[in-house]
Amino acid sequence: AQSVTQPDIHITVSEGASLELRCNYSYGATPYLFWYVQSPGQGLQLLLKYFSGDTLVQGIKGFEAEFKRSQSSFNLRKPSVHWSDAAEYFCAVGDLEYGNKLVFGAGTILRVKS
Amino acid sequence: EAQVTQNPRYLITVTGKKLTVTCSQNMNHEYMSWYRQDPGLGLRQIYYSMNVEVTDKGDVPEGYKVSRKEKRNFPLILESPSPNQTSLYFCASSFSFRQSNTEAFFGQGTRLTVV
Repeated sequence: AQSVTQPDIHITVSEGASLELRCNYSYGATPYLFWYVQSPGQGLQLLLKYFSGDTLVQGIKGFEAEFKRSQSSFNLRKPSVHWSDAAEYFCAVGDLEYGNKLVFGAGTILRVKS
Repeated sequence: EAQVTQNPRYLITVTGKKLTVTCSQNMNHEYMSWYRQDPGLGLRQIYYSMNVEVTDKGDVPEGYKVSRKEKRNFPLILESPSPNQTSLYFCASSFSFRQSNTEAFFGQGTRLTVV
């Protein structure tokens, strides 16, 4: 079965510091990969996605992610974190077999300290 | 504006009282899903639909029903809610991921409390 692991439940970084959120997936075929962000009390906003092609993907709000097939990873990065980036981040893999199901990781809560 | 609309946003109900959470999308998407979000578990798929009158169980379907009589609407029905169904619910819609440059659109969520 498909699965997504986000090893870090909480991460705290200083404003202006760089950020990397880890994501590992288990999926048999070429994966459709996504990163979503959820601010407190809000819905889910898509940051970026990978379907094929260039393995370094640029997203909104200055985020990028790199697909590494050999490591089954899709880590999210940002060179300089802003206080407004504090939120919960979800990695997901898309499964065509079950109605375009998204299999989500448990999420990583990002805290930004000033 | 492309959107997925869920109603209500917040709902407190009592055990056993039937309720329906509505979901509507205006993008002509074939695929629609319901997810529940629980702390530490991420989002898990409850039911999905691949088109009108085509629905199937997701990972956590017990205690829920759905219907897809029109392409735009995909209501979630709790016939006899129980406290373990207290959760944050999201509806999502999309074209097939086989289409490049597509994504799943999510509603704003429905926070349900069953007492």
